[in-house]
Amino acid sequence: NAGVTQTPKFQVLKTGQSMTLQCAQDMNHEYMSWYRQDPGMGLRLIHYSVGAGITDQGEVPNGYNVSRSTTEDFPLRLLSAAPSQTSVYFCASSYSPSGKSGELFFGEGSRLTVL
Amino acid sequence: AQSVTQPDIHITVSEGASLELRCNYSYGATPYLFWYVQSPGQGLQLLLKYFSGDTLVQGIKGFEAEFKRSQSSFNLRKPSVHWSDAAEYFCAVGVGDDKIIFGKGTRLHILP
Repeated sequence: NAGVTQTPKFQVLKTGQSMTLQCAQDMNHEYMSWYRQDPGMGLRLIHYSVGAGITDQGEVPNGYNVSRSTTEDFPLRLLSAAPSQTSVYFCASSYSPSGKSGELFFGEGSRLTVL
Repeated sequence: AQSVTQPDIHITVSEGASLELRCNYSYGATPYLFWYVQSPGQGLQLLLKYFSGDTLVQGIKGFEAEFKRSQSSFNLRKPSVHWSDAAEYFCAVGVGDDKIIFGKGTRLHILP
């Protein structure tokens, strides 16, 4: 019953450092996505994937990289962290092959602070 | 461009009172519409969704929403709120082939 698992839950970085937020799901969902949540901004889509080997950009992709080598995992990489990337990050997956129509199952979030 | 507007950032209601949270969307085709709820420190949970058919949809926790195409709206309602309903509520729309876009959210406060 793990669902969507995100690690780490909390992370502090210095400007310019790189890191990877991990996301894994055990529901055999084809669709996975990353959102960031900022006060007053709601959730904004960073990147998404409709299956292994396929990724695409969302609303705010700059500064982030993703890959999808397996159905289960969808890591989000920050190549050179900036203070503007301080946020709470959510990974979500869906059983719908077309992500727009299915229920999203969310992880518990990863809170990232960039100093 | 596709968008979702939640005009109310905060709403305060008394426990036992009725609730309506507003949502307007901008999307050319028939939309897939959702309402999610986020409790403090948690991820989001689906309350209900509309794809087609009956424009009044029932969800979990006693919530319902009505799709009005003429008004491009999908307002969330509950006849009597409970203190446990205090949370942030997000309206969302499925767009294109494979994206779900969220509104900025409405934070609901409950007075005892």
